[in-house]
Amino acid sequence: DQQVKQNSPSLSVQEGRISILNCDYTNSMFDYFLWYKKYPAEGPTFLISISSIKDKNEDGRFTVFLNKSAKHLSLHIVPSQPGDSAVYFCAASWGYNTDKLIFGTGTRLQVFP
Amino acid sequence: DVKVTQSSRYLVKRTGEKVFLECVQDMDHENMFWYRQDPGLGLRLIYFSYDVKMKEKGDIPEGYSVSREKKERFSLILESASTNQTSMYLCASSETSGGLYEQYFGPGTRLTVT
Repeated sequence: DQQVKQNSPSLSVQEGRISILNCDYTNSMFDYFLWYKKYPAEGPTFLISISSIKDKNEDGRFTVFLNKSAKHLSLHIVPSQPGDSAVYFCAASWGYNTDKLIFGTGTRLQVFP
Repeated sequence: DVKVTQSSRYLVKRTGEKVFLECVQDMDHENMFWYRQDPGLGLRLIYFSYDVKMKEKGDIPEGYSVSREKKERFSLILESASTNQTSMYLCASSETSGGLYEQYFGPGTRLTVT
C-alpha cells in the first residue's frame, strides 16, 4: 500500500515558467516532509523540507506548500531552469519514533528552452 | 560535506552468486539505510541500522541481509542473487533526529543479475 503517492510520473515545463510537482499521502501520522532531486547516475540530494506545523517553506526558487486537511503537498519551482530537469521524490516521516522515510514514486521533470 | 560512498557503481553478477554491496559514510552518523530504486516504484527501504550491530527490516527485506560491524560501514548482502534483484541500490545515512534531518545518499550501485 503506497502511503506516499506522486500521481504524475512526468512533467514538461518551459524554461522561465513555474513547475508544480504534487504529492499526496495517506498516513495522518506523518509530520515531516522532504523533497529530493535525483539526476541520472547520482544519488538523490535533499532539496527542501517542511514540518507539519507549517503550511509553507521557501528556499530561493523552491517553495513547498503543505495542506494537512487534504493530505497534500506541492513543490513550486519559479522560474524553472534547464538544470532543474531531474526526477523529484517527495518523502515523509512520522518523526519522533523513527528516522525512516517513506518515499513517493517520483516525478520526472523536464525543463525545455 | 557529508560523503557517502558505495564500493561499486556498476556490478554484473550471475544468478545464485553471493553479492556484497558496501557503503561507507564519513560523518559519524548513527543511522544507515539501504534502498532499491526501480522505475515506477520509487525508493523502497530494504534494511536500516540505527547503531553498530543493530538492524531493522524495511519494506522489502526478503532475499537480503545486512551487516554493520563498524559505525561508518553498512553492507548489503544478497545471499543468492536472482534476476528480480536487478536494480539500482542506494545507501544513505543520517543523524538520529526523530526524522527531522535529511538523509544523505551515495551515488548508487547499478546491479545486473544475469
